[in-house]
Amino acid sequence: AQSVSQHNHHVILSEAASLELGCNYSYGGTVNLFWYVQYPGQHLQLLLKYFSGDPLVKGIKGFEAEFIKSKFSFNLRKPSVQWSDTAEYFCAFSRGYQKVTFGIGTKLQVIP
Amino acid sequence: EPEVTQTPSHQVTQMGQEVILRCVPISNHLYFYWYRQILGQKVEFLVSFYNNEISEKSEIFDDQFSVERPDGSNFTLKIRSTKLEDSAMYFCASLLGQGQTQYFGPGTRLLVL
Repeated sequence: AQSVSQHNHHVILSEAASLELGCNYSYGGTVNLFWYVQYPGQHLQLLLKYFSGDPLVKGIKGFEAEFIKSKFSFNLRKPSVQWSDTAEYFCAFSRGYQKVTFGIGTKLQVIP
Repeated sequence: EPEVTQTPSHQVTQMGQEVILRCVPISNHLYFYWYRQILGQKVEFLVSFYNNEISEKSEIFDDQFSVERPDGSNFTLKIRSTKLEDSAMYFCASLLGQGQTQYFGPGTRLLVL
C-alpha cells in the first residue's frame, strides 16, 4: 500500500535555527510530491510541490524541498525559521489525478 | 485566487442523524475529493469523483456515506446515520486535471454526540 512516513512528529526550534523535516514515500512509480502547511486554526495550504524537472523546489516563505528519487525522499528545509512558522507540516504524494496520500504530520513549534 | 469553499464550518449532530456537508469546488475543475482528519491523526482519503461518478473510494467510505454533485457547482458528502467515530474535520478538494494541484477547502468540523 502506498504510504508516507514523516520522521519527526514534534519539533521545537528557536527562531533563526535551521529546519529539516524528513519525508519518505512508498511507491515505485512516478509521483507528485507536496508539502502542505496548516497554521493554527486555519486550513491546509500548499507550501510547495514537485511534479518533474529540477528536484530542488522552492516554495513560499523561504521553504524548499529536495526530491531524491533513489531514497524515495522529499525533505523540507528552511535555513532560518521564524515564530510565524509555527504550524503543522504534512508531506504528501499523489499519482496523476488520484487521491493525495498524507503523512501523519509534523508539529513545528518555534520559540521566540 | 479561486478557492474551494465549504459549509458549514462547524456542525454538531446527534448520533444516528443524517448530515450533509457541502462544498463548492473551483468552477472549472473536473475532479473532486473528500478527505477527513480525525483529531490528532493524519488526513485520510474518503472518495474521489469524476464525470458524475465515484472513481475511487477508501475502506472508510462505506454504505453510510454518499456523494453527489447535484447542480454542477455543489459537491456534497452525506453521512446517513452518524456515529461517534465520524467526528472529524472533513475537507473537500478539487483538481483541474492531471499535472495540476489539488486545492483544499477550509474544512467542516463535525462533532457527533
